[in-house]
Amino acid sequence: DTAVSQTPKYLVTQMGNDKSIKCEQNLGHDTMYWYKQDSKKFLKIMFSYNNKELIINETVPNRFSPKSPDKAHLNLHINSLELGDSAVYFCASSQEMNQPQHFGDGTRLSIL
Amino acid sequence: AQRVTQPEKLLSVFKGAPVELKCNYSYSGSPELFWYVQYSRQRLQLLLRHISRESIKGFTADLNKGETSFHLKKPFAQEEDSAMYYCALNSGNTPLVFGKGTRLSVIA
Repeated sequence: DTAVSQTPKYLVTQMGNDKSIKCEQNLGHDTMYWYKQDSKKFLKIMFSYNNKELIINETVPNRFSPKSPDKAHLNLHINSLELGDSAVYFCASSQEMNQPQHFGDGTRLSIL
Repeated sequence: AQRVTQPEKLLSVFKGAPVELKCNYSYSGSPELFWYVQYSRQRLQLLLRHISRESIKGFTADLNKGETSFHLKKPFAQEEDSAMYYCALNSGNTPLVFGKGTRLSVIA
């Protein structure tokens, strides 16, 4: 069983569109995250969600909005996609905020 | 502020040569450090954490508080070690802080 699964694996779309990436974890973890990995492989945290509280990274444009229907899911919705949004987006989870994180396979987003 | 520095973006070594991936951190408290590995087009995986003091795939890392370092070492590199390696710091009740990563390329 995949511990952290995210869909889709690949997403190709045009500038200006709105898209969502889904993430689910079956580890019973309380905390989930979204990361962006750019073409230089830099890994930047975007959001962390600790069951009760969403922590927003202020450098993330407000076009990005995480949504958590329950603690096993943290979806990422992106409005008005821009060329610079092209990247691999990783979902991760951990038991608590400061524990080792388990990552999903990533979603490769390409903006045309 | 907490910070993790990996000074090398790319490290190339020959197969069988020793490997050392550098990681330095900045944190005033008692740190907990991790190494993550990402093989080509795969997810990040936890490689090792300093509190477990174990050797995984031949890699070891020792926390040196005096030098604020947590370098990753392996005595003999193998081609399958080629990957991106990320050092990460646990600084309390906040998300892990990741370094920018080092790409290790092992040349046959």
